[in-house]
Amino acid sequence: DVQMTQSPSSLSASVGDRVTITCRASQSISRSLNWYQQEPGKAPKVLISAASTLQSGVPSRFSGSGSGTDFTLTIISLQPEDFAIYYCQQSNSIPYTFGQGTKLEIK
Amino acid sequence: EVQLVESGGGLVQPGGSLRLSCAASGFTFSDYWMSWVRQAPGKGLEWVANIKVDGSEKYYVDSVKGRFTISRDNALNSLHLQMTSLRAEDTSIYYCIQGGMPTGWFAQWGQGTLVTVSS
Repeated sequence: DVQMTQSPSSLSASVGDRVTITCRASQSISRSLNWYQQEPGKAPKVLISAASTLQSGVPSRFSGSGSGTDFTLTIISLQPEDFAIYYCQQSNSIPYTFGQGTKLEIK
Repeated sequence: EVQLVESGGGLVQPGGSLRLSCAASGFTFSDYWMSWVRQAPGKGLEWVANIKVDGSEKYYVDSVKGRFTISRDNALNSLHLQMTSLRAEDTSIYYCIQGGMPTGWFAQWGQGTLVTVSS
């Protein structure tokens, strides 16, 4: 199984900041990497697919990059609604696996 | 608007069974792979199972193989997860999801249904 490791596990930032979350796969997954946002008490929502494709309706302050084993999610100019938990997920091979999550908190 | 509404969760004893259902609307159900993903309380996400558009292919995470069965009824726009031999570690919110293959990402999520396995 492909293991997904996110860093950091938690992150404190302020409104307006730029943050980067990293996701590393235990083996190459090409660009088969997706990012999700989960707000408290809600179901996750897909933000980015195939490493860098922004899903419809997702603000352009979100961006993704990477290939192979190393990927990043960047959020520029943080907004209050961005404070949530973020997960990466690999879709290169079954079983699909998620990272452990990164909790983005308000400083 | 895509809607996925799960039902069937609840409290069950270890070793027991439960059948989850998901009512889908707002899209052509028979055109999409469907999936279940679960989340233990306060924990991360775990993919559980996928089913092909016509039900001819099904995939499971190892921890549920032989115990869980995913199925669908395209005539009724419904997805199901039959769970047997339930264990405490199956306690989770179970989400019904549009997608999972062939795109690989989980496009639309239901609100989830909580399954608690406890004596």
